[in-house]
Amino acid sequence: EAQVTQNPRYLITVTGKKLTVTCSQNMNHEYMSWYRQDPGLGLRQIYYSMNVEVTDKGDVPEGYKVSRKEKRNFPLILESPSPNQTSLYFCASSGQGTTDTQYFGPGTRLTVL
Amino acid sequence: GENVEQHPSTLSVQEGDSAVIKCTYSDSASNYFPWYKQELGKGPQLIIDIRSNVGEKKDQRIAVTLNKTAKHFSLHITETQPEDSAVYFCAAHNFNKFYFGSGTKLNVKP
Repeated sequence: EAQVTQNPRYLITVTGKKLTVTCSQNMNHEYMSWYRQDPGLGLRQIYYSMNVEVTDKGDVPEGYKVSRKEKRNFPLILESPSPNQTSLYFCASSGQGTTDTQYFGPGTRLTVL
Repeated sequence: GENVEQHPSTLSVQEGDSAVIKCTYSDSASNYFPWYKQELGKGPQLIIDIRSNVGEKKDQRIAVTLNKTAKHFSLHITETQPEDSAVYFCAAHNFNKFYFGSGTKLNVKP
């Protein structure tokens, strides 16, 4: 089944404790992206990747890192999480171009205490 | 950067009625406008999209219109059904990035 998977689905952590949210897709997609969703703000793009080893900042990249060492994986790294990064995070991927259908993962709900 | 505004934030309609959600964008370089439906506890799912060289697109009960001059685009759902109840997001694509509206919670009453 074609899908985008994220792990963990739920995470409660404390300020300053480094964490990684994994994202994997099995559709051989080139474009991958991370978003955060907050009430009343819609989705905001954090980082995106056009292909392996090619990443760029989205609208709200501060406090986040990403890497794209393999085509299927695009982990989101929070080196020193803070309470304002408490949010619902979505990974997404799309095919050959950025305007192909974007498929979203199920989401990761992160709480930073 | 791009700024996408979406209205209304909530919309309640009777089953069988039509629903219209409107979005405006600020950057004339935006060239692709997808619409997503998000059901509770799930990720957004693409329901229809339109490119800047097209004025209207229809897929069964769903249609999207784009007015490039006015920089606005709209989602039209006809003959609404209870399963259309969800949160809908518009988005604009601009230089490999996506900018989303704040969402519309649609409630279709049986």
